[in-house]
Amino acid sequence: DVVLTQTPVAQPVTLGDQASISCRSSQSLVHSNGNTYLEWYLQKPGQSPQLLIYKVSNRFSGVPDRFIGSGSGSDFTLKISRVEPEDLGVYYCFQATHDYTFGAGTKLELK
Amino acid sequence: EVQLKESGPGLVQPSQTLSLTCTVSGFSLTDYSVHWVRQPPGKGLEWMGVMWSGGSTAYNSALKSRLSISRDTSKSQVFLKMNSLQTEDTAIYYCTRFDFWGPGTMVTVSS
Repeated sequence: DVVLTQTPVAQPVTLGDQASISCRSSQSLVHSNGNTYLEWYLQKPGQSPQLLIYKVSNRFSGVPDRFIGSGSGSDFTLKISRVEPEDLGVYYCFQATHDYTFGAGTKLELK
Repeated sequence: EVQLKESGPGLVQPSQTLSLTCTVSGFSLTDYSVHWVRQPPGKGLEWMGVMWSGGSTAYNSALKSRLSISRDTSKSQVFLKMNSLQTEDTAIYYCTRFDFWGPGTMVTVSS
């Protein structure tokens, strides 16, 4: 089974700063069809998760351009430039190349 | 407007069977797959299984022996049944297309 390792577990930030979250997979997430099914979700307190990024770097409808996904193979990053209050919560990476697996989450919180 | 909504009993006794319903609107179950994801209190997300648009299913290997997913396309409903519940199955259960999520339903396993 694929294991996704997210770091850090918690990321204290000051509003307006940049934040970066890493997601490493135990195996390559390149599908046999050439696509890489790595997604990022944000779960705000008391809410359902919401899709931010799909296929590594594509922003879902309505997601601000301060959210930038990158990476390839088994190493991926989500960068949030100029963190705003509504960005606080837990971020999960998720892979859908080999069955489905979530990372353990990274909590973006205020310093 | 795409919507998903979970329903079911809030409390289930240990060793009993959990039955949940996901009622969708704004799309057809024959066009989109619907997944079940759960989240124990204070913990991360776990993918449980999927009802593919074509009518077949796939399950998390850790839950496969206890889990069954079915659907009624005429009612736009997807069903989850999981037997032999234990306290560690206490969680919020979500149905989701991944781009859209239900609000979740809390299930507590307790006598």
